[in-house]
Amino acid sequence: ELKVEQNPLFLSMQEGKNYTIYCNYSTTSDRLYWYRQDPGKSLESLFVLLSNGAVKQEGRLMASLDTKARLSTLHITAAVHDLSATYFCAVISYKTGNQFYFGTGTSLTVIP
Amino acid sequence: DAEITQSPRHKITETGRQVTLACHQTWNHNNMFWYRQDLGHGLRLIHYSYGVQDTNKGEVSDGYSVSRSNTEDLPLTLESAASSQTSVYFCASSESPLPGYNEQFFGPGTRLTVL
Repeated sequence: ELKVEQNPLFLSMQEGKNYTIYCNYSTTSDRLYWYRQDPGKSLESLFVLLSNGAVKQEGRLMASLDTKARLSTLHITAAVHDLSATYFCAVISYKTGNQFYFGTGTSLTVIP
Repeated sequence: DAEITQSPRHKITETGRQVTLACHQTWNHNNMFWYRQDLGHGLRLIHYSYGVQDTNKGEVSDGYSVSRSNTEDLPLTLESAASSQTSVYFCASSESPLPGYNEQFFGPGTRLTVL
């Protein structure tokens, strides 16, 4: 069974601090996606990582992919309240028709 | 602007009733997907389609069906609603002829409650 695990599941951090969210997956895949979801809202695409070693940055968020370790990280730099949301990673499984498999999400709360 | 819409946004129904959730996209995307979101499970794939007349079962397809008669729409039907199908349902679409290559764009979601 394919598994996508995120940790931590819940993260409370102070404004201005740095932290990293981890996404581990159990299948062979070289494509990983990060999404953001605000409470009661839909999912918004943040990053698409398409190869081993890929690094993407947008504002205070930076995502990276290590396909050999089957690990992606989402690093938050100098957190601000507006980053409070739930973050999901998703991978594709080529063995099952290129389906997306989502992690359980990391609920981030940034405290002023 | 191109978009993906879902209707209804909220639905309350009774056990045993048939329910259809609509999904309409104006991106002209070939690929469309239905997910359900439940606490502790993230998003799980119900059904997906890579084009007209194409449908495939996802991870949690039991009790659900879809049909794809045109590019824009992928309705999701619950044949006989059960309380376990109370959830938030998201429709998504993606562009690439290579399924799964591009990121998926999500609709606003439908909150379904089965009493």
